[in-house]
Amino acid sequence: EAQVTQNPRYLITVTGKKLTVTCSQNMNHEYMSWYRQDPGLGLRQIYYSMNVEVTDKGDVPEGYKVSRKEKRNFPLILESPSPNQTSLYFCASRLTGGHYGYTFGSGTRLTVV
Amino acid sequence: ELKVEQNPLFLSMQEGKNYTIYCNYSTTSDRLYWYRQDPGKSLESLFVLLSNGAVKQEGRLMASLDTKARLSTLHITAAVHDLSATYFCAGLLETSGSRLTFGEGTQLTVNP
Repeated sequence: EAQVTQNPRYLITVTGKKLTVTCSQNMNHEYMSWYRQDPGLGLRQIYYSMNVEVTDKGDVPEGYKVSRKEKRNFPLILESPSPNQTSLYFCASRLTGGHYGYTFGSGTRLTVV
Repeated sequence: ELKVEQNPLFLSMQEGKNYTIYCNYSTTSDRLYWYRQDPGKSLESLFVLLSNGAVKQEGRLMASLDTKARLSTLHITAAVHDLSATYFCAGLLETSGSRLTFGEGTQLTVNP
């Protein structure tokens, strides 16, 4: 089944403890992206990647890192999480060009205490 | 910079009624998307609209795009309870790194 898989689905952590949220897609999509969703603020892009080893900042990149060493994986790294990073995170991917839509992962609900 | 605005943000309607959600965007968008999100769930793609005058229909939902007015609409026909969800429109500019810019979302509640 074509899908974007995120792990974990739920995570509670403490301030300052490094964590990684994984994202993997099995559709050979070039483009991958991370979004966070917050009440009243909608969905905002954190980082995106046009292809392997090509990444760039989105609207709200502060406090996050990403890497794209393989086409299928695009992990989101929080080196020193803070409470304002408590949010619902989505990974998305798509083929570039044309009229392709985005496929979203199931989401990761992160709470930083 | 692309900005996307939806209205209404909250919509409560009765089963069997029709209604329209509006999505205005600020600059030329290469593509316009509609998504559905159930509480605590992921985003489900509903429609991709590519060009002026595009109209797509799936069941009780119909989406249209007017690029000259920078307006997309999502029309609900004879609403049923199962349509209760939050609906997002999102524009895409390829020149901005294929970034999806989302509207605030319309929380739709269909009452029996």
